[in-house]
Amino acid sequence: DVKVTQSSRYLVKRTGEKVFLECVQDMDHENMFWYRQDPGLGLRLIYFSYDVKMKEKGDIPEGYSVSREKKERFSLILESASTNQTSMYLCASSLLSGWEGYTFGSGTRLTVV
Amino acid sequence: KNEVEQSPQNLTAQEGEFITINCSYSVGISALHWLQQHPGGGIVSLFMLSSGKKKHGRLIATINIQEKHSSLHITASHPRDSAVYICASHDSGYALNFGKGTSLLVTP
Repeated sequence: DVKVTQSSRYLVKRTGEKVFLECVQDMDHENMFWYRQDPGLGLRLIYFSYDVKMKEKGDIPEGYSVSREKKERFSLILESASTNQTSMYLCASSLLSGWEGYTFGSGTRLTVV
Repeated sequence: KNEVEQSPQNLTAQEGEFITINCSYSVGISALHWLQQHPGGGIVSLFMLSSGKKKHGRLIATINIQEKHSSLHITASHPRDSAVYICASHDSGYALNFGKGTSLLVTP
């Protein structure tokens, strides 16, 4: 069964900490995405990557960075966590076309205290 | 950017009822996705369609390209169908544009 795996289901971090969220896919997909999901706002794109070492900003990149050193792994980094980054974070991957094979991970619920 | 609107925002139905969730979008698209999210869970892709109609079990998705509108129908609804249903459009680039979701509760 093809999968997008996020390393943590629940995470609690302190304000100011550097936080790493990891995502791994086993489908050889070119594209990988990080979204955050908040009540009333839906899913919003933070960053995406269409190839190793390539990254593009999404709609809300401020306060975040990403890393893609290997095709199967896409990391989201919160440089200095703040309480307004408390959210559900979802990773996804897809084929190069952008819409085919779209697969989501189970999500990481991050709480910043 | 494509504006994706869903209606209704919340929906309560009794078991067995026929359910329709609507999605409209503002610009032409390459494909439209219907997604399902159970409480606390990840998102599962139900359908991807660019024209016509698709059916999977009790779920049917239709799209009218000219009217920029799609519907998700659930026949003979069941409590296990309770979830948030999200439509998302792919117009250009790599990412999807998401609606805010429809929260469905099916009561026994």
